[in-house]
Amino acid sequence: SQQGEEDPQALSIQEGENATMNCSYKTSINNLQWYRQNSGRGLVHLILIRSNEREKHSGRLRVTLDTSKKSSSLLITASRAADTASYFCLTGYSGNTGKLIFGQGTTLQVKP
Amino acid sequence: EAGVVQSPRYKIIEKKQPVAFWCNPISGHNTLYWYLQNLGQGPELLIRYENEEAVDDSQLPKDRFSAERLKGVDSTLKIQPAELGDSAVYLCASSLGPWNEQFFGPGTRLTVL
Repeated sequence: SQQGEEDPQALSIQEGENATMNCSYKTSINNLQWYRQNSGRGLVHLILIRSNEREKHSGRLRVTLDTSKKSSSLLITASRAADTASYFCLTGYSGNTGKLIFGQGTTLQVKP
Repeated sequence: EAGVVQSPRYKIIEKKQPVAFWCNPISGHNTLYWYLQNLGQGPELLIRYENEEAVDDSQLPKDRFSAERLKGVDSTLKIQPAELGDSAVYLCASSLGPWNEQFFGPGTRLTVL
């Protein structure tokens, strides 16, 4: 199966701390997206960053993209218990294949 | 505005039986996706439609899986015959275009006994 790479696989932090998760990919991309999935619930889009962008913010979320290292990071600042979820990156590969590939995910637990 | 609708939410069948899943995307969304998600893993794309055309079905096991999107609106994914390894959550998503934000339905949890 095709799965992108994310690390760490699991992360446990205290409320108020920051959480960082990383996503690596293989070839040129059109864009990269981050999604959240709460236990037993559907996937929700968080943020999209295009290949010509280096950083984007949305509320407490900050996403960076380093195309030279073929990697992206999602930073959640001042985490809350409600941020407990699995986080997935979705890479949109450019070129003729136009593949869309999700990472294996990072499971984040935020302890109150 | 209604989100992506999927039915059924749960399905339990015996192996070798057929099963079908239905998805109605958000109105106006040209791109429709079917994903398979196993426990603890990210979704894996089975097929992507642009309107009624299947533009990426490279990961669809065509010996037993089939899909259609007649009239470029709702879509059906079928498995015939089902195998034990097909037990998973089947997700449908839609977007305005292939590089846009995707909106996901609640999924169908399939259990094959």
